[in-house]
Amino acid sequence: DAGVTQSPTHLIKTRGQQVTLRCSPKSGHDTVSWYQQALGQGPQFIFQYYEEEERQRGNFPDRFSGHQFPNYSSELNVNALLLGDSALYLCASSLVGRGEQFFGPGTRLTVL
Amino acid sequence: AQRVTQPEKLLSVFKGAPVELKCNYSYSGSPELFWYVQYSRQRLQLLLRHISRESIKGFTADLNKGETSFHLKKPFAQEEDSAMYYCALSTAGGTSYGKLTFGQGTILTVHP
Repeated sequence: DAGVTQSPTHLIKTRGQQVTLRCSPKSGHDTVSWYQQALGQGPQFIFQYYEEEERQRGNFPDRFSGHQFPNYSSELNVNALLLGDSALYLCASSLVGRGEQFFGPGTRLTVL
Repeated sequence: AQRVTQPEKLLSVFKGAPVELKCNYSYSGSPELFWYVQYSRQRLQLLLRHISRESIKGFTADLNKGETSFHLKKPFAQEEDSAMYYCALSTAGGTSYGKLTFGQGTILTVHP
């Protein structure tokens, strides 16, 4: 089991563009959470998906949206990119209702 | 709303010395507390959780509900313990679905 995988590793975009990040959960996990980690900060919760629905959302604008597929993989979409969206985006998987989450290596997004 | 505070951004000790990384939290319900660690160029990984009450790599942490603390301790630090440590709180249960709230992190450096 490769654990949680994320693609791409790095991404460079310009302001106003849109981006899609992808995540495959650890085998057997059904819940995917996304976090944003700015430089020097702890991860901040964006949202969580279970049964292909957004179950909980953090304090992020609607420009951030997501999707979960029947195979439990997930996408994070960010529209109208701002310079402040530059960060490491982490995906974590877990079993529903469990606090223990397993993290992927992250996608480093740079917005110019 | 829940909050996690790690008062020390940097902590330096010498090899063989005891180490304590502080974590305080605020949450009105019954939280699950975790310590995550990130070694250089590696992904975020779970170190331990308060429910399991186990010792991992010589580290222990006790949940003190009276002081709302979950400090991480190790009696004899090793150079390989040098890493970034995050304290995290989960509000799993009810409608919360396991969102993790992280502290800002503490960089531990163990000198030879």
